[in-house]
Amino acid sequence: DAGITQSPRYKITETGRQVTLMCHQTWSHSYMFWYRQDLGHGLRLIYYSAAADITDKGEVPDGYVVSRSKTENFPLTLESATRSQTSVYFCASVAMDRDRKVRGNTIYFGEGSWLTVV
Amino acid sequence: GQQLNQSPQSMFIQEGEDVSMNCTSSSIFNTWLWYKQDPGEGPVLLIALYKAGELTSNGRLTAQFGITRKDSFLNISASIPSDVGIYFCAGQLGGTASKLTFGTGTRLQVTL
Repeated sequence: DAGITQSPRYKITETGRQVTLMCHQTWSHSYMFWYRQDLGHGLRLIYYSAAADITDKGEVPDGYVVSRSKTENFPLTLESATRSQTSVYFCASVAMDRDRKVRGNTIYFGEGSWLTVV
Repeated sequence: GQQLNQSPQSMFIQEGEDVSMNCTSSSIFNTWLWYKQDPGEGPVLLIALYKAGELTSNGRLTAQFGITRKDSFLNISASIPSDVGIYFCAGQLGGTASKLTFGTGTRLQVTL
């Protein structure tokens, strides 16, 4: 029962470098999400994906790129990392229910990726 | 975007005490959710509320969906050390988790 896994768990990178955070889920959930968590802001949605090859922006998408070529993977790329992107990043997934709704009470979060940009 | 104000931001309590925290919004939600996040982990759902006025319990936890649909409350009775963590409220519009808005969190610390 692997669930949802993120890698790397911890990363330090330099300003301007490209960084990719990986997310893998074993449930075949249709929806996947990337959140960032910062002090005083709670969790904010960066991007989400309703299915393979379908992605959409969340609340704070600038500076990030996502892709979803396979249902089980949803990588998040920082094309040119900035210090303001130092944060904890959480991937999440959720299945569509029988009513074809996607309910927050069935969302599962990964363990988080701690990213520091110096 | 929507704002969820959660209070208090942090609290120290003694083991055995009851805890109350709340969440208020500038707009209405159809669903209120309460999550707990342990250090180094992702959030885990505690309670889900679907109707205005609803009161739901999960063990020592009780949460209420405010009548105005703009607020929610979480109470923890007889706190124990493992209650330590950050508690998040979240409001959801419609049936899509992409419309989930999280509060800023309440950090709970329990002293023996």
